[in-house]
Amino acid sequence: KNEVEQSPQNLTAQEGEFITINCSYSVGISALHWLQQHPGGGIVSLFMLSSGKKKHGRLIATINIQEKHSSLHITASHPRDSAVYICAVGLDFGNEKLTFGTGTRLTIIP
Amino acid sequence: DSGVTQTPKHLITATGQRVTLRCSPRSGDLSVYWYQQSLDQGLQFLIQYYNGEERAKGNILERFSAQQFPDLHSELNLSSLELGDSALYFCASSWGGGAETQYFGPGTRLLVL
Repeated sequence: KNEVEQSPQNLTAQEGEFITINCSYSVGISALHWLQQHPGGGIVSLFMLSSGKKKHGRLIATINIQEKHSSLHITASHPRDSAVYICAVGLDFGNEKLTFGTGTRLTIIP
Repeated sequence: DSGVTQTPKHLITATGQRVTLRCSPRSGDLSVYWYQQSLDQGLQFLIQYYNGEERAKGNILERFSAQQFPDLHSELNLSSLELGDSALYFCASSWGGGAETQYFGPGTRLLVL
């Protein structure tokens, strides 16, 4: 069993829809990261969370430490949001080597 | 632009060869991480350096080695290359090396023929 599980693996939605991507992990973590990987391959860090909720523009990330679960929400989705979204966790408190989920491929149709 | 630079962007080489990938962290960042992204394994952590010292090691093969220099740039050396080493290699940097946002470079795409 992977330490980090993401769902769904693929998601296609219409422009404007509310999007939710889920991430579950099985061990104690120092922090959880949400990353975005564009079709060209570049990776952008969206959020780093150790508790609660963070918001940046149309993106919202939440984490429930007790349930070992995090969600990434996108409001008013747009075709430019089409990308692979990757959840990653840091497992050691002394360093931040990341363990990654397999990613969610999001496609937003105009 | 994350401020992290990687060279080269693309590399094509033959099995058995040796290559060096280079990473310059964001100004002020002391920690550098190397990751490998292959089609079958996804993203995997290879190794982390903090201020010139190795801090953490992941699934890095013995044929691979890395170092961080006094000016904080880092190099990942891959030797005796095999077809399965074909992948995207990313470096990332952060200020302290703990639970912080990591800034990723654009990656080096390695193709071993």
